Amino acid sequence: GQQLNQSPQSMFIQEGEDVSMNCTSSSIFNTWLWYKQEPGEGPVLLIALYKAGELTSNGRLTAQFGITRKDSFLNISASIPSDVGIYFCAGKNSGGGADGLTFGKGTHLIIQP
Amino acid sequence: KAGVTQTPRYLIKTRGQQVTLSCSPISGHRSVSWYQQTPGQGLQFLFEYFSETQRNKGNFPGRFSGRQFSNSRSEMNVSTLELGDSALYLCASSWDRGLSEKLFFGSGTQLSVL
Repeated sequence: GQQLNQSPQSMFIQEGEDVSMNCTSSSIFNTWLWYKQEPGEGPVLLIALYKAGELTSNGRLTAQFGITRKDSFLNISASIPSDVGIYFCAGKNSGGGADGLTFGKGTHLIIQP
Repeated sequence: KAGVTQTPRYLIKTRGQQVTLSCSPISGHRSVSWYQQTPGQGLQFLFEYFSETQRNKGNFPGRFSGRQFSNSRSEMNVSTLELGDSALYLCASSWDRGLSEKLFFGSGTQLSVL
C-alpha cells in the first residue's frame, strides 16, 4: 500500500526559530495536506495543496506541493509556544471514490523557551 | 457551530468483548470517516460513510464495521476485541465526498483492551 515518509520524527527548537519538515511518498498523490494535532485533540487541517508546484501560506505556515507529486514540505516561521504539537502530512488520490487519506507518522515539534 | 462529537471519550474493555463507538458530525456534513491512531502505525483509514452508504474501506479485518444513520450520525463497532485494538479512534466529518480531504476531526475515543 501507499506509504508516506515524514521527517524529522521530532524537532527540539528555540522559540523564534524557523521550522522545516517534509514528507515523501513512493507513489503519486493528487492532493497533499498538512494537519496539526495537540494533546487530547484530533488533527486540525492547516493547509491543503491541489496542484503540483503549488505554494500556499496560512499565516506563518507555508507548504508546497512537490513537482513530482511525490513530496511536500511545511515551513513554520518564527515559531511560538503554541506551535507545539504533532504535524502530520497526508496524501489523497481522487480516483472517483471517496478514498481515505494516507497519513505520515508525524513530526513532533517541541519548543524550548 | 458545534464540532464533531465522539462518545465515549474513554473506554476500557477486555479481550473478546465488543465495543460500539459513536460519532456526531458537524451539522450539515454528510460524510463521516473513521481512523485508528496508534503510536506504532500512526493514523490509518478504517472506512468512510456518505448518505448511509459505506463508500470505501481501509485494510482492516471484518471485525471492524460501521454504519451511518439518516441524520449522518455514525457508529463504529469492533467485535471480538484483541489487545492490538487498543488505540485512539478518530471520527472525522466533511461536507461532501468531493471535499472529503477537508476533514474535521473529533477528539477521539481512547480504547484500551486489557
